[in-house]
Amino acid sequence: AQSVTQLDSQVPVFEEAPVELRCNYSSSVSVYLFWYVQYPNQGLQLLLKYLSGSTLVKGINGFEAEFNKSQTSFHLRKPSVHISDTAEYFCAVSDLDSSYKLIFGSGTRLLVRP
Amino acid sequence: KAGVTQTPRYLIKTRGQQVTLSCSPISGHRSVSWYQQTPGQGLQFLFEYFSETQRNKGNFPGRFSGRQFSNSRSEMNVSTLELGDSALYLCASSLDSADTQYFGPGTRLTVL
Repeated sequence: AQSVTQLDSQVPVFEEAPVELRCNYSSSVSVYLFWYVQYPNQGLQLLLKYLSGSTLVKGINGFEAEFNKSQTSFHLRKPSVHISDTAEYFCAVSDLDSSYKLIFGSGTRLLVRP
Repeated sequence: KAGVTQTPRYLIKTRGQQVTLSCSPISGHRSVSWYQQTPGQGLQFLFEYFSETQRNKGNFPGRFSGRQFSNSRSEMNVSTLELGDSALYLCASSLDSADTQYFGPGTRLTVL
């Protein structure tokens, strides 16, 4: 069964510094990959998605992610973070075997300090 | 286009009661999925409905059920509530099962 690993439960970073949030998934078959962000007391907002094509995906708020099939990874990056980026970030995968339900990682809390 | 809406936003119930949560998808979306979010278990899939039919179901007891109406609005019901059912329940809609899911703000259920 498909699974998603987000190794870092929390990532502290200073404002204007770059950040990378790591995500690995278990299966190398054809998958769709997503990053969602959750602000306090809110639902999930889609940041970006990889369905096919270019392995570098650009999303909202200056975030981007790179799909690496050989390493089964989909790491999220931002070159310069803002205080407002403080939130919980979830990586998710879906595929045909799971009937396209989203399987989420445990989340990474990004804490941006001034 | 309006996003996914969920009502109510907050609910407090006591053990043994039942509860019904509602979700209105984005206009034109026919697939509605439900997820449970807890600090201990994270985000877990409950079930998916498409054109009034349950297409997919997660590993939850039968106390959790749902339905979808002809206008694609969906409800989920939890009977005989337990303390462990306290969670944020998220609804997501998509054009079809394989399409990108867009989430609502969630319903925060507290069971006392």
